[in-house]
Amino acid sequence: KNQVEQSPQSLIILEGKNCTLQCNYTVSPFSNLRWYKQDTGRGPVSLTIMTFSENTKSNGRYTATLDADTKQSSLHITASQLSDSASYICVVRESYIPTFGRGTSLIVHP
Amino acid sequence: GAGVSQTPSNKVTEKGKYVELRCDPISGHTALYWYRQSLGQGPEFLIYFQGTGAADDSGLPNDRFFAVRPEGSVSTLKIQRTERGDSAVYLCASSLTQNTEAFFGQGTRLTVV
Repeated sequence: KNQVEQSPQSLIILEGKNCTLQCNYTVSPFSNLRWYKQDTGRGPVSLTIMTFSENTKSNGRYTATLDADTKQSSLHITASQLSDSASYICVVRESYIPTFGRGTSLIVHP
Repeated sequence: GAGVSQTPSNKVTEKGKYVELRCDPISGHTALYWYRQSLGQGPEFLIYFQGTGAADDSGLPNDRFFAVRPEGSVSTLKIQRTERGDSAVYLCASSLTQNTEAFFGQGTRLTVV
């Protein structure tokens, strides 16, 4: 069964600090991997997308990495802001159905 | 419309009742997905439409759940004989084709009391 595991389950950091979220997957064959940000009470919004041949992708203060050999991805957030408080979900697509991780809940404190 | 629209945004119903949840995808998007999200969990796949047909309904938990997309645009998720365990946020997403970015609606929060 295709699975996407994320860690940590939740994270609390101080404003201005950096953090890294992890995603391990067993989805095969692999098509692409996305990181989504989901604010409370809202639908997920895409941050980055990477295909098999891409190792890193940046979107402002968000940088995602992908190691397709070890089936691991990370999302690094630089200089965190209060508005970064949200759930970050790793989504791996096999063919047409995306498989979602359970998400990492990030809280940024002032 | 500009984005995926879901109605109602909130629905409270009594155990045993029938409910319908509506999704208006982005105009021109052929792929439409329904997901269910429980508190603290990632979205769980329910059903995927390509055009008018349900290409994959393997995520529907049981035969109380049914979804239609008769004209290849608006979709309705139907739940019969609702149970308290059906309480969740039901998310709809659409994408231009089956392998392009999916855009999500705000979800319908269903509460079964």
